[in-house]
Amino acid sequence: DSGVTQTPKHLITATGQRVTLRCSPRSGDLSVYWYQQSLDQGLQFLIQYYNGEERAKGNILERFSAQQFPDLHSELNLSSLELGDSALYFCASSAGGWETQYFGPGTRLLVL
Amino acid sequence: DQQVKQNSPSLSVQEGRISILNCDYTNSMFDYFLWYKKYPAEGPTFLISISSIKDKNEDGRFTVFLNKSAKHLSLHIVPSQPGDSAVYFCAARYYGGSQGNLIFGKGTKLSVKP
Repeated sequence: DSGVTQTPKHLITATGQRVTLRCSPRSGDLSVYWYQQSLDQGLQFLIQYYNGEERAKGNILERFSAQQFPDLHSELNLSSLELGDSALYFCASSAGGWETQYFGPGTRLLVL
Repeated sequence: DQQVKQNSPSLSVQEGRISILNCDYTNSMFDYFLWYKKYPAEGPTFLISISSIKDKNEDGRFTVFLNKSAKHLSLHIVPSQPGDSAVYFCAARYYGGSQGNLIFGKGTKLSVKP
């Protein structure tokens, strides 16, 4: 158990809909990262937050957004969903910005 | 353009023998490399890392070697055990810029046969 929690574990929705994925980092960790893993792909970095502020941005679509709240949990919002958004979404946390990242169990999103 | 490549999608090894997983990278700005192990239905688990100023790091049965001139790193598992069967991801950290902190390869699925 990495100490990073993600909810929900599974999510099935329809095209055009909006969903919110939630992540709680390990106790004491200030950084949260979001990654997407599509079929047969490695993990693609989406975005990082550090202590409530956006720190780095990767290949995140404009339809996707994220935020980190004062209690340090983070939410990833995916809107106008398309079939190609079906993937595993992982959250990771680290103490600061450059330490080892610890991953949650992921949320499996299926867009029908 | 893939900056971190794991060219072998799968590897099968006999229990007790050595497993060698390979990873190549293209960006000389990477300053830190990590290996993660992933079981089905779980998130990746950190295994071992190496700084770009070193060429070897060892932790129990796991050793990572870094060859900066060849832009190549490898993970050695000795001896391999059936519980090591998982997908192994190589990752590189890019200090600064907008590309994010970790760039992952596509993974190598290791099967250790009893």
